[in-house]
Amino acid sequence: DTAVSQTPKYLVTQMGNDKSIKCEQNLGHDTMYWYKQDSKKFLKIMFSYNNKELIINETVPNRFSPKSPDKAHLNLHINSLELGDSAVYFCASSLKGADGAFFGQGTRLTVV
Amino acid sequence: QKEVEQNSGPLSVPEGAIASLNCTYSDRGSQSFFWYRQYSGKSPELIMSIYSNGDKEDGRFTAQLNKASQYVSLLIRDSQPSDSATYLCAAANQAGTALIFGKGTTLSVSS
Repeated sequence: DTAVSQTPKYLVTQMGNDKSIKCEQNLGHDTMYWYKQDSKKFLKIMFSYNNKELIINETVPNRFSPKSPDKAHLNLHINSLELGDSAVYFCASSLKGADGAFFGQGTRLTVV
Repeated sequence: QKEVEQNSGPLSVPEGAIASLNCTYSDRGSQSFFWYRQYSGKSPELIMSIYSNGDKEDGRFTAQLNKASQYVSLLIRDSQPSDSATYLCAAANQAGTALIFGKGTTLSVSS
């Protein structure tokens, strides 16, 4: 039974389109995140949510809008996609913000 | 900007040797530290956590923490080709709201 699952695994889309990535965790964790991993494999925090409340927004463009309908779900919607948005996006969760995080399988987004 | 620094490598060791991976962090308020392993095309996998100064051992892995020097390390004993991966060091930020990652060290274990 997958602990942190995100869909889709691959996403290929044209510039200017809007897309969403969904994430669900069944670990009972309070904190969920979105991380972006670029082509150089650098994993950078985008958003952190604690029990549905936004805790961190790391200077991410307004085109990215996270939504947490409940503490088990954290979705990411991206408007007006740009070439530079191409990356692997990872959802993760942890019991608390200072605990080790468990990652989903990632969504490889390619903008053409 | 709080940072976590690692040598990108590649670090190459022969099978059976000890691999030593190092990491420094800039946020003196960090209290929790983690090592992740990431195989190519896969997601990061948590392999070690350490919270107190000193050593913590788990099987072939030993994590070491020195808060005064702001230094974290990971030793892998009896390295195996299956250990070949990128190892990511992470530190919780002072607010305890997220993990800050280093850029990773690529380890290659040759048989």
